[in-house]
Amino acid sequence: GEDVEQSLFLSVREGDSSVINCTYTDSSSTYLYWYKQEPGAGLQLLTYIFSNMDMKQDQRLTVLLNKKDKHLSLRIADTQTGDSAIYFCAEEVGGYNKLIFGAGTRLAVHP
Amino acid sequence: EAEVAQSPRYKITEKSQAVAFWCDPISGHATLYWYRQILGQGPELLVQFQDESVVDDSQLPKDRFSAERLKGVDSTLKIQPAELGDSAMYLCASSLSLAGGSYNEQFFGPGTRLTVL
Repeated sequence: GEDVEQSLFLSVREGDSSVINCTYTDSSSTYLYWYKQEPGAGLQLLTYIFSNMDMKQDQRLTVLLNKKDKHLSLRIADTQTGDSAIYFCAEEVGGYNKLIFGAGTRLAVHP
Repeated sequence: EAEVAQSPRYKITEKSQAVAFWCDPISGHATLYWYRQILGQGPELLVQFQDESVVDDSQLPKDRFSAERLKGVDSTLKIQPAELGDSAMYLCASSLSLAGGSYNEQFFGPGTRLTVL
């Protein structure tokens, strides 16, 4: 079945890079997404990658996709305290843009 | 900037009572989604509409949950009767249209946090 796995927690020092990892199961996924959720708020789309790409860069964000291993990662360069949040990986499955989310990785940024 | 609106933001109810949540998608968005997010987990799709038609309700507990989008614009999600296990955040999202295989960003509302006592 469809499943998305993420590590639950990551702690980094301000100014360092953060790398959040995700594995998914549906090899037919066309798009994979990274969402950010701050406390008590809805989800905000950070970035996405099309399945025929292996890398996408958007300012401080770099997404790497390894289709063979079904592994997705999000790198945040120069991590700031404002980046502290929960980050969700999601794969799009089926023909109706259905998203399957991971459980989320809580990123804590400390001075 | 256009946003998805949801109300109420918070709801406390007793088990066996009925509750209803409302969502107003971004104007012009044909597709509307209801998700349930249990604490510590990712969102799970409950029901998806294309205009006023249900496209996917495979994860909706139909014995107690119902959803409607009568005029293809705003939507209501109802739970009757509520159970303790229904305590969660209920998120609404909208997107321009169904576009299988094409990029189709979902925009999320702030959610309704439900507590069932």
